[in-house]
Amino acid sequence: DTAVSQTPKYLVTQMGNDKSIKCEQNLGHDTMYWYKQDSKKFLKIMFSYNNKELIINETVPNRFSPKSPDKAHLNLHINSLELGDSAVYFCASRRTGVVDTQYFGPGTRLTVL
Amino acid sequence: TQLLEQSPQFLSIQEGENLTVYCNSSSVFSSLQWYRQEPGEGPVLLVTVVTGGEVKKLKRLTFQFGDARKDSSLHITAAQPGDTGLYLCAGAGNTDKLIFGTGTRLQVFP
Repeated sequence: DTAVSQTPKYLVTQMGNDKSIKCEQNLGHDTMYWYKQDSKKFLKIMFSYNNKELIINETVPNRFSPKSPDKAHLNLHINSLELGDSAVYFCASRRTGVVDTQYFGPGTRLTVL
Repeated sequence: TQLLEQSPQFLSIQEGENLTVYCNSSSVFSSLQWYRQEPGEGPVLLVTVVTGGEVKKLKRLTFQFGDARKDSSLHITAAQPGDTGLYLCAGAGNTDKLIFGTGTRLQVFP
């Protein structure tokens, strides 16, 4: 009965590779997010989707491409991985109109070697 | 750019002590939330405060929203080892996103 799930939990890869992280929520929420948490634990929003439409893009490099096949899923594809992409990536969701109640997934720890 | 600065950044205390974490900004927020994050997990919402001056209590945790809605505090009474974690404040403005604070790492020793 997991609310927000992400796969994989850990991802270790070489520079230059392309990788994807998947996110699914079973809460019936309309809005989903991707956040990046750096080594200092600072959590920063990357993207937000509402009903499969992109509504926030926080000047993330275009190597990062989110895709929302339906409102329960928001995947993150990263091309040409760089060392600085190493971080923990969190997916979150919320019901439209309730901006402050976000539910987070368990995170994906990405390590780029 | 809206920023939320938390202090202290790190806090190590003994079980039974009291502590206060501060979350400050020069920006006004429509609401402010506090989350706790444990290692290997995502942040979990503790509380939302909406009205300036509002105080909410959650067992041994007391949350306050500043009168001007620019700052907040979290006070823990008689801290327990189970309170250990990363505490994050997050402000909501008039856009569809939360601005997270810089975080406070709390360690409570038995």
